[in-house]
Amino acid sequence: EVQLVESGGGLVQPGGSLRLSCAGSGFTFSSYAMTWVRQAPGKGLEWVSGISGSGLTTYYADSVKGRFTISRDNSKNTLFLQMNSLRAEDTAVYYCAKGQTLSGSLGYDYWGQGTLVTVSS
Amino acid sequence: DIQLTQSPSFLSASVGDRVTITCRASQGISSYLAWYQQKPGKAPKLLIYTASTLQSGVPSRFSGSGSGTEFTLTISSLQPEDFATYYCQQLNIYPQTFGQGTKVEIK
Repeated sequence: EVQLVESGGGLVQPGGSLRLSCAGSGFTFSSYAMTWVRQAPGKGLEWVSGISGSGLTTYYADSVKGRFTISRDNSKNTLFLQMNSLRAEDTAVYYCAKGQTLSGSLGYDYWGQGTLVTVSS
Repeated sequence: DIQLTQSPSFLSASVGDRVTITCRASQGISSYLAWYQQKPGKAPKLLIYTASTLQSGVPSRFSGSGSGTEFTLTISSLQPEDFATYYCQQLNIYPQTFGQGTKVEIK
């Protein structure tokens, strides 16, 4: 059974940092692109960042470019999102999701339960 | 970035109704479009990818069509469990943007 379990969310002050993790199981982790998607309270889905199966190619939304870094450790079946210089507008539930291919071009078929990040003083 | 505009943003319908949601892209995205369903407090669920391919396990009352810049999601006979918010996502070019969502509520 495919499972994605996020961790690392919490309350952080503006300007602070957090590192989210997403542990995958039940599939060959390195064979699939992964992505982070967030949802601010009461709002729609916002794509944040994506990474190829190998980890060699990464992509970011303009809203987080230069502040967030996506990475993966295929030996540990884990996806990461390092979030620096956090702002109030980064407050959201963050989901990790598994692509259906190495490149992520066929949608995301499994999602984690989400982890809440709250940026507030 | 490619913008996706869904219409309507809100839809009120009855069980058994045929429902159609439209997603328009600001530039051509071939058939690289997916549809998701999200219920309150839950993660999104993939319904359709490459515009018209039904994800495994998704009921056949869901269908998708379109290519280029205009796409539709159709629910042929709305069921009680289908009341949710639906999102389109383009997968042609990064960033892989989402539409703003369409909330389907009970009439």
